Amino acid sequence: DAKTTQPPSMDCAEGRAANLPCNHSTISGNEYVYWYRQIHSQGPQYIIHGLKNNETNEMASLIITEDRKSSTLILPHATLRDTAVYYCIVRVAGGTSGGSNYKLTFGKGTLLTVNP
Amino acid sequence: KAGVTQTPRYLIKTRGQQVTLSCSPISGHRSVSWYQQTPGQGLQFLFEYFSETQRNKGNFPGRFSGRQFSNSRSEMNVSTLELGDSALYLCASSSRAGTVTLNEQFFGPGTRLTVL
Repeated sequence: DAKTTQPPSMDCAEGRAANLPCNHSTISGNEYVYWYRQIHSQGPQYIIHGLKNNETNEMASLIITEDRKSSTLILPHATLRDTAVYYCIVRVAGGTSGGSNYKLTFGKGTLLTVNP
Repeated sequence: KAGVTQTPRYLIKTRGQQVTLSCSPISGHRSVSWYQQTPGQGLQFLFEYFSETQRNKGNFPGRFSGRQFSNSRSEMNVSTLELGDSALYLCASSSRAGTVTLNEQFFGPGTRLTVL
């Protein structure tokens, strides 16, 4: 899996857009960029994913650079409930089976604090 | 539809003991994956079960084992506990096998294990 790099923490004012960057310079052509978040004491929650085109859903937008070496998750109007650790990971899509050395690892993510 | 449930939510054990954690997936889901989350290592994949068979395994020692029952409920066992096993253990369920389908995985709240 390609390694990702994220800033350890960011602050954002409530109601403003939160832009969370992620670097994945070793991403390969068949790897997708996935974003998850984890609110304290809860399990990770899927947000969005994309391959090379920008994506938008009801939660967020994902902007991927043309060379695919970095991306930005955008929460358009951050609320206090968006305070969480945000994880950017890159993986191939689709199912797989077997593989005794299969490994999936999230990095340390970015702690986003939304302030009132 | 009820979400993924994990029991117990909190557990305190001492070194050398063993522990069994339980996960009930979303109704109809047949894939259950287990992850270990620590502040230093982030989220790391342990193993995945689908239809009572282990499909994928991460790089953890043999002290970590699991199983899945015919009703898709899964248990994870850690024997000879070490201080470093203190972590949040997360379970995720999916209707499909293969943990790379990240957008189709739903995480439970986790079990917080503390080893003294």
